[in-house]
Amino acid sequence: IAGITQAPTSQILAAGRRMTLRCTQDMRHNAMYWYRQDLGLGLRLIHYSNTAGTTGKGEVPDGYSVSRANTDDFPLTLASAVPSQTSVYFCASSDSEGHSPLHFGNGTRLTVT
Amino acid sequence: SQQGEEDPQALSIQEGENATMNCSYKTSINNLQWYRQNSGRGLVHLILIRSNEREKHSGRLRVTLDTSKKSSSLLITASRAADTASYFCATVPSGNTPLVFGKGTRLSVIA
Repeated sequence: IAGITQAPTSQILAAGRRMTLRCTQDMRHNAMYWYRQDLGLGLRLIHYSNTAGTTGKGEVPDGYSVSRANTDDFPLTLASAVPSQTSVYFCASSDSEGHSPLHFGNGTRLTVT
Repeated sequence: SQQGEEDPQALSIQEGENATMNCSYKTSINNLQWYRQNSGRGLVHLILIRSNEREKHSGRLRVTLDTSKKSSSLLITASRAADTASYFCATVPSGNTPLVFGKGTRLSVIA
């Protein structure tokens, strides 16, 4: 089934550790996004990529990095996790930047202790 | 900062009733989209309305857009228990910036 795959589904991580959240799509979409969802705050954009080889910062980029080496993969890295990064992380894609509907993965629930 | 704000934050209705959710936004937009999120799942796109459109229908969904008031509404008619979910509006500001989401309305439909 075409769509977005995120891994892991959930993770408990000690503060200070490095963690990469994986996101793969098989729809050949150009644009990909990472959002975090926190209770009472809705979804906030962390980083995005309009096409392979380019990335951009969203509303809350600090403490996170991304890369877009190819069309299908868009990993999100926390270099040194902190408790405030405890959240549910959603990866999404669309076939053009900004104007098309987003397709979402089912999220990664991350707890930083 | 949040572009869209949904109202109400939570809504509880009986099965068969209509549910109306509102969204207000701050800046000019290219289009406005509504999404649904079931508990523990990712968001699913419901409907997109462009800035030059005033109303759009999809099955039991009806979306209106008033660009002069910078507001939109999502109407779900003849609601079902399966409609229980959170609903989010998201706007595409003018230009090629990514979608900005509101905080959502949590809808509970009681059978």
